[in-house]
Amino acid sequence: DIVLTQSPLSLAVSPGEPASISCSSNQSLFYNNEHNYMDWYLQKPGQPPHLLIYLASNRASGVPDRFSGSGSDTDFTLKISRVEAEDVGVYYCMQARQSPRTFGGGTTVQIK
Amino acid sequence: QVQLVQSGAEVKKPGASVKVSCRTSEDTFSGHYIHWLRQAPGQGLEWMGVINPTSGNTIYAQKLQGRMTITRGASTSTVDMELSSLTPDDTAVYYCARTDHSNYAGMAHWGQGTQVIVSS
Repeated sequence: DIVLTQSPLSLAVSPGEPASISCSSNQSLFYNNEHNYMDWYLQKPGQPPHLLIYLASNRASGVPDRFSGSGSDTDFTLKISRVEAEDVGVYYCMQARQSPRTFGGGTTVQIK
Repeated sequence: QVQLVQSGAEVKKPGASVKVSCRTSEDTFSGHYIHWLRQAPGQGLEWMGVINPTSGNTIYAQKLQGRMTITRGASTSTVDMELSSLTPDDTAVYYCARTDHSNYAGMAHWGQGTQVIVSS
């Protein structure tokens, strides 16, 4: 199985400040000479996860442009350019390169 | 707006089975894969398996192989997940989520979650 290592474990950010979360894979997520199969999800308390970024850098429908994804092969980053109060929750990276899909351990983002 | 609606909470005794349903607000799941995931209390997300509702083909996580079955439901808009030989470690919120056959675009649609409690 592909192992994803996410860091940091938690993050406290002042409103308007940037935030960055890293996700490292033990195998390449690049497939078909075309895409990196890395997604990012945010789970707010008591809710299902919702999709932020797919294929490493594509924002899902309705996701604010302060969220961006980058990276390739085995190293990926989710950035929030200016954190807002509604961005609190647990962020997960997930690889869709192969089954079983696997997730990083999660990063809890809080507001200072 | 596509909605995935799951069946209600369940309380089961160890050794029993549970079946959770996932229904789409569209007429059919055609053109999509339906994944099942779960989240134990205070824990992260665990992928359990996936079905192609058009073909019925499935892939399961190895640790659940033999205990888990994903099937097409009674209608083309429903998928069922059954987990047998339950233990307290199966206590979790279970989610269904949808991806597209082609032009992968992530798990953009999720069910609301179904709480399953396994307790004697």
